[in-house]
Amino acid sequence: EVVMTQSPLSLPVTLGQPASISCRSSQSLVHTDGITYLNWFQQRPGQSPRRLIYQVSRRDSGVPDRFSGSGSGTDFTLKISRVEAEDVCVYYCMQGTHWRSFGQGTKLEIK
Amino acid sequence: EVQLVESGGGLVQPGGSLRLSCVGSGFSFSTYEMNWVRQAPGRGLEWVSYISDHSRLLLYTDSVKGRFTISRDNAKNTLYLQMNSLRAEDTGVYYCASLELRPPMDVWGQGTTVTVSS
Repeated sequence: EVVMTQSPLSLPVTLGQPASISCRSSQSLVHTDGITYLNWFQQRPGQSPRRLIYQVSRRDSGVPDRFSGSGSGTDFTLKISRVEAEDVCVYYCMQGTHWRSFGQGTKLEIK
Repeated sequence: EVQLVESGGGLVQPGGSLRLSCVGSGFSFSTYEMNWVRQAPGRGLEWVSYISDHSRLLLYTDSVKGRFTISRDNAKNTLYLQMNSLRAEDTGVYYCASLELRPPMDVWGQGTTVTVSS
């Protein structure tokens, strides 16, 4: 089983300032087809999760461009360039290279 | 409109059974691999089970192996999760989801709540 470790688990943020979440995997997420299957999800209170990013850095349709994903191998990052009020919720990484497993989640909170 | 709608959750005693259903619409359900994901109260997301598009491959997380069975009926655009020998630690919201790794979209249901308690 691939273990996904997010940090921090809680992130105090200031509206208008950047935020960054780290996600590390216990083994490389490069698939035999050469693609790295790492997704990021956003979950607002009382809602189902929503995919923001797939394949490390590709944004889903309708996702604001203040969200960006980066990384390779076992080390990945989700960045929000300027946090808005609607971004204050929980974020999860998920690997899809070795079946599926999620990180523990990172909760953004207003500082 | 693309959607997944779960049903079948409820309150059940330890050792009991429930069958969850998830109906897809607005997309080509039969071409999507599908999963069940759960979320215990106040906790994170946990992948539970996977089924390939034509049911040839079934996978389970270790804690539900031998107790849960995933299945699908593509003619009815429906995904199922048969849950037997339920335990308190199975309590949570159960989502059906595609957990898609490629474009154009990933689809989640609204969730159905399972509570295992005496």
